[in-house]
Amino acid sequence: GQSLEQPSEVTAVEGAIVQINCTYQTSGFYGLSWYQQHDGGAPTFLSYNALDGLEETGRFSSFLSRSDSYGYLLLQELQMKDSASYFCAADTGRRALTFGSGTRLQVQP
Amino acid sequence: SAVISQKPSRDICQRGTSLTIQCQVDSQVTMMFWYRQQPGQSLTLIATANQGSEATYESGFVIDKFPISRPNLTFSTLTVSNMSPEDSSIYLCSVEGLQETQYFGPGTRLLVL
Repeated sequence: GQSLEQPSEVTAVEGAIVQINCTYQTSGFYGLSWYQQHDGGAPTFLSYNALDGLEETGRFSSFLSRSDSYGYLLLQELQMKDSASYFCAADTGRRALTFGSGTRLQVQP
Repeated sequence: SAVISQKPSRDICQRGTSLTIQCQVDSQVTMMFWYRQQPGQSLTLIATANQGSEATYESGFVIDKFPISRPNLTFSTLTVSNMSPEDSSIYLCSVEGLQETQYFGPGTRLLVL
Protein backbone atom coordinates (compact mmCIF):
# COMPACT_ATOMS: atom_id res chain seq x y z
CA GLY A 1 0.00 0.00 0.00
CA GLN A 2 0.88 3.66 -0.12
CA SER A 3 1.20 5.82 2.98
CA LEU A 4 2.67 9.22 3.76
CA GLU A 5 2.64 10.27 7.40
CA GLN A 6 2.82 13.81 8.70
CA PRO A 7 2.20 15.42 12.09
CA SER A 8 -1.42 16.46 12.31
CA GLU A 9 -0.80 19.92 13.71
CA VAL A 10 2.09 22.31 14.31
CA THR A 11 1.98 25.67 16.09
CA ALA A 12 4.63 28.39 15.84
CA VAL A 13 4.97 32.15 16.29
CA GLU A 14 5.51 34.82 13.70
CA GLY A 15 9.11 35.15 12.61
CA ALA A 16 10.03 31.66 13.73
CA ILE A 17 11.17 28.65 11.70
CA VAL A 18 9.08 25.50 11.49
CA GLN A 19 9.78 22.09 9.98
CA ILE A 20 7.03 19.76 8.78
CA ASN A 21 8.13 16.16 8.38
CA CYS A 22 6.87 13.51 6.00
CA THR A 23 7.75 9.82 6.06
CA TYR A 24 6.58 7.72 3.18
CA GLN A 25 6.09 4.13 2.21
CA THR A 26 5.18 3.69 -1.44
CA SER A 27 5.53 1.12 -4.16
CA GLY A 28 7.51 3.10 -6.68
CA PHE A 29 8.88 6.52 -5.91
CA TYR A 30 10.06 9.29 -8.22
CA GLY A 31 9.85 12.36 -6.02
CA LEU A 32 8.14 14.26 -3.24
CA SER A 33 6.03 17.40 -3.64
CA TRP A 34 4.63 19.84 -1.12
CA TYR A 35 1.32 21.66 -1.40
CA GLN A 36 -0.25 24.42 0.66
CA GLN A 37 -3.99 24.67 1.18
CA HIS A 38 -5.72 27.54 2.94
CA ASP A 39 -9.14 26.91 4.44
CA GLY A 40 -11.71 26.90 1.65
CA GLY A 41 -9.02 27.06 -1.03
CA ALA A 42 -7.43 24.76 -3.55
CA PRO A 43 -4.05 23.11 -2.97
CA THR A 44 -1.21 25.10 -4.48
CA PHE A 45 2.20 23.75 -5.42
CA LEU A 46 5.18 24.74 -3.28
CA SER A 47 8.11 22.51 -4.22
CA TYR A 48 9.28 19.22 -5.68
CA ASN A 49 12.31 17.08 -4.81
CA ALA A 50 13.39 14.31 -7.14
CA LEU A 51 16.91 14.00 -5.77
CA ASP A 52 18.30 13.87 -2.26
CA GLY A 53 19.12 17.20 -0.73
CA LEU A 54 17.69 20.62 -0.09
CA GLU A 55 15.72 22.77 -2.54
CA GLU A 56 15.25 26.41 -1.60
CA THR A 57 12.52 28.70 -2.89
CA GLY A 58 12.40 31.97 -1.00
CA ARG A 59 11.25 31.44 2.57
CA PHE A 60 10.38 27.80 1.87
CA SER A 61 12.85 24.93 1.55
CA SER A 62 12.22 21.25 1.03
CA PHE A 63 14.49 18.31 1.77
CA LEU A 64 14.46 14.71 0.64
CA SER A 65 16.34 11.62 1.78
CA ARG A 66 15.46 8.63 -0.37
CA SER A 67 17.47 6.22 1.75
CA ASP A 68 15.42 7.20 4.81
CA SER A 69 12.09 7.55 2.93
CA TYR A 70 11.82 10.94 4.55
CA GLY A 71 11.36 14.54 3.60
CA TYR A 72 10.53 17.83 5.21
CA LEU A 73 9.29 21.29 4.42
CA LEU A 74 11.04 24.15 6.18
CA LEU A 75 9.28 27.48 6.51
CA GLN A 76 11.35 30.45 7.63
CA GLU A 77 10.37 33.91 8.84
CA LEU A 78 6.84 32.70 9.47
CA GLN A 79 4.01 35.07 8.65
CA MET A 80 0.38 34.95 9.71
CA LYS A 81 -0.58 34.19 6.11
CA ASP A 82 1.38 30.92 6.33
CA SER A 83 -1.38 29.50 8.54
CA ALA A 84 -2.72 26.71 6.34
CA SER A 85 -2.62 22.97 5.81
CA TYR A 86 0.48 21.51 4.21
CA PHE A 87 0.53 18.22 2.34
CA CYS A 88 3.41 16.14 1.11
CA ALA A 89 2.61 14.12 -2.00
CA ALA A 90 4.48 11.27 -3.63
CA ASP A 91 5.07 10.93 -7.34
CA THR A 92 4.89 7.16 -7.81
CA GLY A 93 5.24 7.27 -11.58
CA ARG A 94 1.52 7.19 -12.23
CA ARG A 95 1.34 10.95 -12.86
CA ALA A 96 -1.43 11.30 -10.27
CA LEU A 97 -0.28 12.12 -6.75
CA THR A 98 -0.57 10.21 -3.50
CA PHE A 99 -1.10 12.73 -0.72
CA GLY A 100 0.03 12.61 2.87
CA SER A 101 -2.24 12.97 5.84
CA GLY A 102 -1.66 16.73 6.03
CA THR A 103 -0.32 19.09 8.69
CA ARG A 104 -2.29 22.04 9.95
CA LEU A 105 0.07 24.93 10.72
CA GLN A 106 -1.11 27.65 13.06
CA VAL A 107 1.02 30.78 13.20
CA GLN A 108 0.46 32.87 16.30
CA PRO A 109 1.35 36.55 16.76
CA SER B 1 0.37 27.57 -15.38
CA ALA B 2 -3.15 26.34 -16.00
CA VAL B 3 -6.35 28.04 -14.93
CA ILE B 4 -9.08 25.64 -13.91
CA SER B 5 -12.70 26.37 -13.18
CA GLN B 6 -15.30 24.09 -11.64
CA LYS B 7 -19.08 24.22 -11.58
CA PRO B 8 -20.94 24.26 -9.31
CA SER B 9 -18.78 25.73 -6.57
CA ARG B 10 -21.07 24.22 -3.96
CA ASP B 11 -24.36 22.40 -3.74
CA ILE B 12 -26.73 20.86 -1.23
CA CYS B 13 -28.40 17.71 -2.48
CA GLN B 14 -30.90 15.17 -1.27
CA ARG B 15 -29.87 11.57 -0.80
CA GLY B 16 -30.59 9.33 -3.75
CA THR B 17 -30.04 12.07 -6.32
CA SER B 18 -27.06 12.65 -8.62
CA LEU B 19 -24.86 15.68 -9.23
CA THR B 20 -22.59 16.34 -12.20
CA ILE B 21 -19.51 18.47 -11.59
CA GLN B 22 -17.84 20.22 -14.50
CA CYS B 23 -14.14 21.00 -14.83
CA GLN B 24 -12.85 23.38 -17.50
CA VAL B 25 -9.16 24.07 -18.22
CA ASP B 26 -7.82 27.03 -20.17
CA SER B 27 -5.36 24.89 -22.15
CA GLN B 28 -5.29 21.45 -23.70
CA VAL B 29 -4.10 18.73 -21.34
CA THR B 30 -3.69 15.00 -21.80
CA MET B 31 -4.68 13.83 -18.35
CA MET B 32 -7.14 15.19 -15.83
CA PHE B 33 -7.49 13.91 -12.30
CA TRP B 34 -10.43 13.86 -9.92
CA TYR B 35 -9.83 13.90 -6.17
CA ARG B 36 -12.08 13.81 -3.14
CA GLN B 37 -11.29 15.62 0.10
CA GLN B 38 -13.52 14.84 3.04
CA PRO B 39 -13.80 17.53 5.73
CA GLY B 40 -10.49 18.02 7.50
CA GLN B 41 -8.89 15.16 5.59
CA SER B 42 -6.34 14.63 2.88
CA LEU B 43 -6.94 14.30 -0.84
CA THR B 44 -7.81 10.91 -2.25
CA LEU B 45 -7.59 10.17 -5.96
CA ILE B 46 -10.86 8.98 -7.45
CA ALA B 47 -9.86 8.48 -11.07
CA THR B 48 -7.67 9.59 -13.94
CA ALA B 49 -9.42 10.77 -17.10
CA ASN B 50 -7.79 10.62 -20.54
CA GLN B 51 -9.46 12.06 -23.58
CA GLY B 52 -10.85 9.37 -25.83
CA SER B 53 -10.61 6.50 -23.39
CA GLU B 54 -12.38 5.26 -20.30
CA ALA B 55 -11.32 6.69 -16.98
CA THR B 56 -9.06 4.66 -14.71
CA TYR B 57 -10.52 4.30 -11.22
CA GLU B 58 -8.68 3.83 -7.94
CA SER B 59 -9.45 1.06 -5.53
CA GLY B 60 -12.68 1.78 -3.72
CA PHE B 61 -14.18 3.90 -6.50
CA VAL B 62 -16.35 2.45 -9.25
CA ILE B 63 -17.68 3.77 -12.52
CA ASP B 64 -21.33 3.19 -11.62
CA LYS B 65 -20.99 5.49 -8.62
CA PHE B 66 -18.63 8.07 -10.16
CA PRO B 67 -19.06 8.11 -13.95
CA ILE B 68 -16.60 10.41 -15.70
CA SER B 69 -16.68 11.95 -19.13
CA ARG B 70 -13.75 13.46 -21.03
CA PRO B 71 -15.12 14.67 -24.35
CA ASN B 72 -12.13 16.85 -25.28
CA LEU B 73 -8.74 18.05 -24.07
CA THR B 74 -10.05 20.95 -21.99
CA PHE B 75 -13.13 19.56 -20.26
CA SER B 76 -14.25 16.76 -17.97
CA THR B 77 -17.24 15.93 -15.81
CA LEU B 78 -17.58 13.81 -12.69
CA THR B 79 -21.02 12.58 -11.63
CA VAL B 80 -21.70 11.54 -8.07
CA SER B 81 -24.59 9.09 -8.38
CA ASN B 82 -27.24 7.94 -5.93
CA MET B 83 -25.76 10.16 -3.26
CA SER B 84 -25.68 9.46 0.45
CA PRO B 85 -24.47 11.69 3.31
CA GLU B 86 -21.12 9.87 3.16
CA ASP B 87 -20.53 11.51 -0.22
CA SER B 88 -20.40 14.94 1.41
CA SER B 89 -16.95 16.16 0.46
CA ILE B 90 -14.99 18.59 -1.62
CA TYR B 91 -14.40 17.31 -5.15
CA LEU B 92 -11.36 18.68 -6.95
CA CYS B 93 -10.12 18.30 -10.47
CA SER B 94 -6.48 18.80 -11.35
CA VAL B 95 -4.13 18.77 -14.32
CA GLU B 96 -0.41 18.31 -14.75
CA GLY B 97 1.86 21.28 -15.16
CA LEU B 98 5.54 21.59 -15.90
CA GLN B 99 8.21 20.10 -13.65
CA GLU B 100 5.99 17.70 -11.76
CA THR B 101 3.49 20.31 -10.60
CA GLN B 102 -0.24 19.83 -10.50
CA TYR B 103 -2.77 22.60 -10.74
CA PHE B 104 -6.06 22.27 -8.93
CA GLY B 105 -9.46 23.70 -9.54
CA PRO B 106 -11.21 25.60 -6.73
CA GLY B 107 -13.25 22.55 -5.79
CA THR B 108 -16.94 21.72 -5.51
CA ARG B 109 -18.29 21.57 -1.98
CA LEU B 110 -21.04 19.00 -1.77
CA LEU B 111 -23.38 18.46 1.15
CA VAL B 112 -25.79 15.54 0.97
CA LEU B 113 -28.74 15.58 3.34
